[in-house]
Amino acid sequence: QQQVKQSPQSLIVQKGGISIINCAYENTAFDYFPWYQQFPGKGPALLIAIRPDVSEKKEGRFTISFNKSAKQFSLHIMDSQPGDSATYFCAASEPNFGNEKLTFGTGTRLTIIP
Amino acid sequence: ETGVTQSPTHLIKTRGQQVTLRCSSQSGHNTVSWYQQALGQGPQFIFQYYREEENGRGNFPPRFSGLQFPNYSSELNVNALELDDSALYLCASSLQVANSPLHFGNGTRLTVT
Repeated sequence: QQQVKQSPQSLIVQKGGISIINCAYENTAFDYFPWYQQFPGKGPALLIAIRPDVSEKKEGRFTISFNKSAKQFSLHIMDSQPGDSATYFCAASEPNFGNEKLTFGTGTRLTIIP
Repeated sequence: ETGVTQSPTHLIKTRGQQVTLRCSSQSGHNTVSWYQQALGQGPQFIFQYYREEENGRGNFPPRFSGLQFPNYSSELNVNALELDDSALYLCASSLQVANSPLHFGNGTRLTVT
């Protein structure tokens, strides 16, 4: 059972554009929603994270939007740059495991073209 | 600050064999988690170790086992390897406190033939 569904599978955005990746979850016990960025040959690295008591969190060019009632959250990358080309994973975890037991989405391969 | 290091980086094993993967956690981190990432998929939680004991396990059979040592380093052992065990195995370290982010190593690529 896939508890976190991520879309699209791949995304091509022009340099300077906005990249948007969406995730939906089923488990209402989830209370921590991070996004990870993974480059080829590297492990995932935490990009930004949100808890459901806020609807939006912004860090530089990266913004998470969270809709608790719809059980959806999304990552927006403003002014996308070629260096942002990577695979992005949304994830979620339950409070009883703290932040360590993450359920990941299937990933979105983002390509930024000049 | 030393990051998470994993060894070996690549490994080829034959079906039925056993394998041990190693992880050194980031300096100061006391919790280690292991994830399996199949090609084109997101990482899947295998288990977590804290204070040298298993502290949570995902949907993986008992032939996946682990250890954590007093210096917080860890091993992942897989017995009776199957073809489907071919994947990138990721180790992540963190602190056992709320909001502590996971710091991943670059993984061990295991191929089972």
